[in-house]
Amino acid sequence: SQQGEEDPQALSIQEGENATMNCSYKTSINNLQWYRQNSGRGLVHLILIRSNEREKHSGRLRVTLDTSKKSSSLLITASRAADTASYFCATGRLQNAGNMLTFGGGTRLMVKP
Amino acid sequence: DTGVSQNPRHKITKRGQNVTFRCDPISEHNRLYWYRQTLGQGPEFLTYFQNEAQLEKSRLLSDRFSAERPKGSFSTLEIQRTEQGDSAMYLCASSLFRSQVYNEQFFGPGTRLTVL
Repeated sequence: SQQGEEDPQALSIQEGENATMNCSYKTSINNLQWYRQNSGRGLVHLILIRSNEREKHSGRLRVTLDTSKKSSSLLITASRAADTASYFCATGRLQNAGNMLTFGGGTRLMVKP
Repeated sequence: DTGVSQNPRHKITKRGQNVTFRCDPISEHNRLYWYRQTLGQGPEFLTYFQNEAQLEKSRLLSDRFSAERPKGSFSTLEIQRTEQGDSAMYLCASSLFRSQVYNEQFFGPGTRLTVL
């Protein structure tokens, strides 16, 4: 079973616009990670945020974490056509010291040139 | 290339046959994970190793599945008596676990299995 739920399931925007994806989860976590996957390819790690952190930045990416609401968001600013991909959040659960990741179903992002 | 590698990239087999996949992690990483991903879904955890020890297995990992990491380096995942429901992308990931700090997992390109 998948713990995380991404919202929306699909998102279509124009190049230059910002894209926001949300993730909700159910159990206590050690950390939350966001990954990108291009069609039929492996996953690329984007950013890791630990349970005691609230916000993290990496280039055009901004991730927030609200453990009281069990939710996270990924913001991609100034999107590019190359950002077209599926984006997954994955949680590392507290009782396993973050050993294994539980993924959501993903948000399919399309950035139109 | 110093990333995670997986072989083969694609495997087509007939129902009932056995298949084996290989994963070579990033060399200094002590943890290795196997996941399975079906079309349109996120990956699902199967099992993981710390060095050569298999520390956790998902209930998804039926008796037909076995994984090994004999020398704490590369790992193999074998599926015996394959079924059509085994068709999926099998992903391997590795990470460095040290001093109780959990770090990001780096994924390989995956092996896509098709069972006819």
